[in-house]
Amino acid sequence: SQKIEQNSEALNIQEGKTATLTCNYTNYSPAYLQWYRQDPGRGPVFLLLIRENEKEKRKERLKVTFDTTLKQSLFHITASQPADSATYLCARDSNYQLIWGAGTKLIIKP
Amino acid sequence: ETGVTQTPRHLVMGMTNKKSLKCEQHLGHNAMYWYKQSAKKPLELMFVYNFKEQTENNSVPSRFSPECPNSSHLFLHLHTLQPEDSALYLCASSVPGQGAPGANVLTFGAGSRLTVL
Repeated sequence: SQKIEQNSEALNIQEGKTATLTCNYTNYSPAYLQWYRQDPGRGPVFLLLIRENEKEKRKERLKVTFDTTLKQSLFHITASQPADSATYLCARDSNYQLIWGAGTKLIIKP
Repeated sequence: ETGVTQTPRHLVMGMTNKKSLKCEQHLGHNAMYWYKQSAKKPLELMFVYNFKEQTENNSVPSRFSPECPNSSHLFLHLHTLQPEDSALYLCASSVPGQGAPGANVLTFGAGSRLTVL
């Protein structure tokens, strides 16, 4: 079955550094991967989508990559700020539905 | 606000109670979803409605009963729940393919935190 795996341990990063989160998938490559941000007590908010034929996508301080050889997507936040602290979720498509990872909690320390 | 509104935000109920969760969106989306989110677990899809018709039921126990009277409103009726049903219940909506052909980007509500005693 298709699965999404994200590092379950919290990631602690010093303010100003680049934070990198990993999303690994199993089986065949999805047509696209999505990244969402979730704050405590809130629903996930869509950030970026990257297609299988795109190696990289950028939006302001965010960058997402898609490596079909490694079956992996990386999510980067450059010049990280305490306000970037949240849980980040990765999801892959499956017949117009999404299969989700459990998310990685990111903590940016001042 | 995301445009998807869920009420109540918090709910505590006993195992014999009957309660309902409500979701409302005025984004013009035609698909609506119920998800269950438990701590440190992936989002679990429960139900999907497209144009008011249920298109997916992910083997959800019958103590959860969805209702979609129109494309803007979605309910989740709860009865005789178990303590393990305590979780954050998220409603989402989408227009499959909007903004990204072949993709399905979801807009979520803030969730209803359910505690079953």
